[in-house]
Amino acid sequence: TQLLEQSPQFLSIQEGENLTVYCNSSSVFSSLQWYRQEPGEGPVLLVTVVTGGEVKKLKRLTFQFGDARKDSSLHITAAQPGDTGLYLCVCDSWGKFQFGAGTQVVVTP
Amino acid sequence: DTGVSQDPRHKITKRGQNVTFRCDPISEHNRLYWYRQTLGQGPEFLTYFQNEAQLEKSRLLSDRFSAERPKGSFSTLEIQRTEQGDSAMYLCASSLAGSRAGTGELFFGEGSRLTVL
Repeated sequence: TQLLEQSPQFLSIQEGENLTVYCNSSSVFSSLQWYRQEPGEGPVLLVTVVTGGEVKKLKRLTFQFGDARKDSSLHITAAQPGDTGLYLCVCDSWGKFQFGAGTQVVVTP
Repeated sequence: DTGVSQDPRHKITKRGQNVTFRCDPISEHNRLYWYRQTLGQGPEFLTYFQNEAQLEKSRLLSDRFSAERPKGSFSTLEIQRTEQGDSAMYLCASSLAGSRAGTGELFFGEGSRLTVL
């Protein structure tokens, strides 16, 4: 079983639509990170959330950390083809970064 | 460019052969990680180092896998007697961390893709 459960596994939407991806766990974390990976490249950090209930915005991306620090969500407003990629939720387990299985997002023009 | 570099980018080998991958991290980073990734899945943790010390190795990793970071700089990942199930992308990442429990940012290389025939 995965420490971090991500849903959905795959999301295909049209340009301009909104989307939300989720990261859930039964464990409590001091922080969670979101990375995005494009084909042929390594993952790149988008954000780190550290406080329960925290909301962070990065242009059209909004990240939320659950009050109980067990879950997080990523919302993209008015998606663009450049948002296409594998979105990964990550926790730091005493120095060992563990990844969820990811959500593959495809935004078509 | 002083990012994480991996070599080779692609390796095709026959079952039973040994392969070795090299990772050069960002120079001031003290932590180095190896992950394995299959298509459409998230990276799976293999092992990590702080300086030259290997702090943890995944229980999923068989004895055919070994990693070293002899001088606390570059690292090698060797797979002995490769099997078809070893085919995957092997990703290396580095970070700067001051304590075992701290959080930091992982900087990834572009990966080494292994195909075992």
